[in-house]
Amino acid sequence: AQSVTQLGSHVSVSEGALVLLRCNYSSSVPPYLFWYVQYPNQGLQLLLKYTSAATLVKGINGFEAEFKKSETSFHLTKPSAHMSDAAEYFCAVSKYSSASKIIFGSGTRLSIRP
Amino acid sequence: NAGVTQTPKFRVLKTGQSMTLLCAQDMNHEYMYWYRQDPGMGLRLIHYSVGEGTTAKGEVPDGYNVSRLKKQNFLLGLESAAPSQTSVYFCASNDPFTSTDTQYFGPGTRLTVL
Repeated sequence: AQSVTQLGSHVSVSEGALVLLRCNYSSSVPPYLFWYVQYPNQGLQLLLKYTSAATLVKGINGFEAEFKKSETSFHLTKPSAHMSDAAEYFCAVSKYSSASKIIFGSGTRLSIRP
Repeated sequence: NAGVTQTPKFRVLKTGQSMTLLCAQDMNHEYMYWYRQDPGMGLRLIHYSVGEGTTAKGEVPDGYNVSRLKKQNFLLGLESAAPSQTSVYFCASNDPFTSTDTQYFGPGTRLTVL
């Protein structure tokens, strides 16, 4: 069975600091991994997805994530946080080799301090 | 191209009342999904559909019914609402047969059951 665990329900960083949001996955098959962002009162928006083509995946808004099979991790990073990055971030895994039937983590709320 | 739209945006029900949430997508996607989002629990899949006329249960289907009479629409019904169904409901769609396979989300419906 697939599952994801996001470490830390709330992360706070200063503007300009490194953003690191942690995600570990469990999957019995090669996973299809995602990071989504949700801004207040909005739906989810895809940041990036891992499809086994490359272990370092670059997404929108300067975010990237690295797939590490040995650590079963898919952490999300951004070198320099902006105030506009404040949102909730969800890591997700697909049960199949596509974006179908995604299983979401519980989310990490990112706050940015001025 | 409106993407995924949801109707209504907000609704308050009394226990025992019924209602239907409408999801519409104009991207000709085969797959559609209904999720609920509760604090600290991420998104959980209620029901999904892999094509017109087909539906299947997700992780938390009890108390809900769905129909996919037209490819572009996916309806979520609550026959007898309960306070435990107070949540934010998101619809999503994707087409796993394309290179841009990604789930696209609607803006959500905030439902309160008193």
